Formats: sequence, C-alpha cells, structure tokens
Amino acid sequence: AQTVTQSQPEMSVQEAETVTLSCTYDTSESNYYLFWYKQPPSRQMILVIRQEAYKQQNATENRFSVNFQKAAKSFSLKISDSQLGDTAMYFCAPPTGNQFYFGTGTSLTVIP
Amino acid sequence: DVKVTQSSRYLVKRTGEKVFLECVQDMDHENMFWYRQDPGLGLRLIYFSYDVKMKEKGDIPEGYSVSREKKERFSLILESASTNQTSMYLCASSSLQDGLNTGELFFGEGSRLTVL
Repeated sequence: AQTVTQSQPEMSVQEAETVTLSCTYDTSESNYYLFWYKQPPSRQMILVIRQEAYKQQNATENRFSVNFQKAAKSFSLKISDSQLGDTAMYFCAPPTGNQFYFGTGTSLTVIP
Repeated sequence: DVKVTQSSRYLVKRTGEKVFLECVQDMDHENMFWYRQDPGLGLRLIYFSYDVKMKEKGDIPEGYSVSREKKERFSLILESASTNQTSMYLCASSSLQDGLNTGELFFGEGSRLTVL
C-alpha cells in the first residue's frame, strides 16, 4: 500500500479568504492521476479536482486549484474566495493501479 | 447522473449477527469498492472488485467478505459482527481507461453501522 499524508487534521479560514490544504504521497506509478475529494457534513463524497501527473500545468476548477510538485510528491489544494459551502472534510487520493488510497483528511471550517 | 445506492443509511446490530451491506450502481462501471471511514483514520479500503465474481483484498479485509454476482451490485458481508466494526461504510464505483483508474470515483451516501 502506498502512503498518503495530510498533515493538517483541522483548518479554518475566514469567508472570502484563501486556504491551502497539503498532501504528500508515495507511489511507484509513473503514469497516474491524483484527486481531491470533498465530503460535506452528512453528505456524499464528491470529486473536487483531478490532476493528470504527466501534465506540467496545474489543474484549476473555478475557485479550486492544485499545486503539483511531482519530484517532491506533493499535491496541495488551494481554495480561493472561500465560501460557507466549502466547509467539509477534504481527502486527497493518488491512485495506484486499480485502487484508490486516501489520506486521513483535513476538516475545513469556513468562518463567516 | 451516476448513482450509487447503498441499501441502508443506518443499521444497529448485535455482536455475532451476520450483516449485509448492499451497494448498487447504475453506470455499468467495472470497478466497485468498499471503504470504512473512521475519525482520524480517513478511508481505508476493505475490498474491491474489478469484474463480476472477481474480488481483491484491500488494506483491512479481516472480518469481512464480499460478493459480486452481478456487475451493478457489490455486497459487503460481516459474518459475525463485532463492536470494533462500528463505523461508516462507503461504497464507490469507477470506470477504467487503459487499465488505470483515470476516472472519477462515485460514492454512495454511506451506511452507518453500530454494533452493540
């Protein structure tokens, strides 16, 4: 099994501010994709953003963007203009082969 | 829209009971997964299946078994429930591209199991 580390168990941010969630991993796959998932309170887990590892350009999805440092095996998520609806658990997931492994999650609270 | 449906949102069982958690997806996905979610531990993979009647162990298969008789249905079985199996169980499915999970994982709403 590969190791996925999210070193920030809990974070908070003021509404409209920017926050960055960190993720590091260990994988031997050379061709792979990385994901960030969001789990709002008492709701289903959904995909936030996907990064293709062989692409130089960092992925962006509206207010969400990633900073992918391949050599450092780091994959952080930046949320700009934070909104109350961003309050959730966030999990990073670098897949290996047929499996998905998840970090322990970061609980993000957006403060009005 | 892809839908992954888990049969029960909340279950309360007694120690030693046999427990079935059912999961159905409607997008003809090859892969299906069962995870267990616990505070501070994230999601841990119990079993996954990449085809009908095929299964592979994840990181924590002990005390669990699975069944995939049809492509759309993946069942998690606790043969003899124990209190340490009290948890949230998440089912997910995904499609394959070129043999890799390049596709998105679609999750069910979860089944919260309490074993007394």
